[in-house]
Amino acid sequence: AQSVSQHNHHVILSEAASLELGCNYSYGGTVNLFWYVQYPGQHLQLLLKYFSGDPLVKGIKGFEAEFIKSKFSFNLRKPSVQWSDTAEYFCAVNAPGSSNTGKLIFGQGTTLQVKP
Amino acid sequence: NAGVTQTPKFRVLKTGQSMTLLCAQDMNHEYMYWYRQDPGMGLRLIHYSVGEGTTAKGEVPDGYNVSRLKKQNFLLGLESAAPSQTSVYFCASSFFRSYEQYFGPGTRLTVT
Repeated sequence: AQSVSQHNHHVILSEAASLELGCNYSYGGTVNLFWYVQYPGQHLQLLLKYFSGDPLVKGIKGFEAEFIKSKFSFNLRKPSVQWSDTAEYFCAVNAPGSSNTGKLIFGQGTTLQVKP
Repeated sequence: NAGVTQTPKFRVLKTGQSMTLLCAQDMNHEYMYWYRQDPGMGLRLIHYSVGEGTTAKGEVPDGYNVSRLKKQNFLLGLESAAPSQTSVYFCASSFFRSYEQYFGPGTRLTVT
């Protein structure tokens, strides 16, 4: 079965530290990739997305992600985190053969805790 | 626009009771989804719908039923709740042939 793996389950950083969250997927075909963020007590919001083109995509709040096809990866980065970035982060990829359903496969999530 | 809304926000059920969760979207989206979120397991797809009157099973459909009688609404039913169904339930929707999903605020369900 196709899967999405997020290597870091719980990350603790101090403010101003740099962030990189790993995401790998197992599907080898055409992919559409997403990072969603869930702030405490809130619903999931889209952080950024990759469909095609420039493999380095920029999202909201200073986040970016790089699609590396050869590594089946879509890692999320931010140069300097803030306390307000404390949240859970989910990587997602389109399910294979799902162009008529829009289905996504989500990773397990990474909880980021930023200490002030 | 309200986006995607869910009713109720919280619910406590006893084992064996039934309930229906309502999801409504005002974005004229074709596709709608129900997920459950459990610690360390991410979001798992329960059921989904690609249009009014159609539904299909997702990854974890057992114990749940759904209906989409109107395009804007997607109902998730639990006929006989079990403690294993204690979870946070999220509804999402997206445009036709789009993977970008918009999420509702969630329903926290506890089954005792």
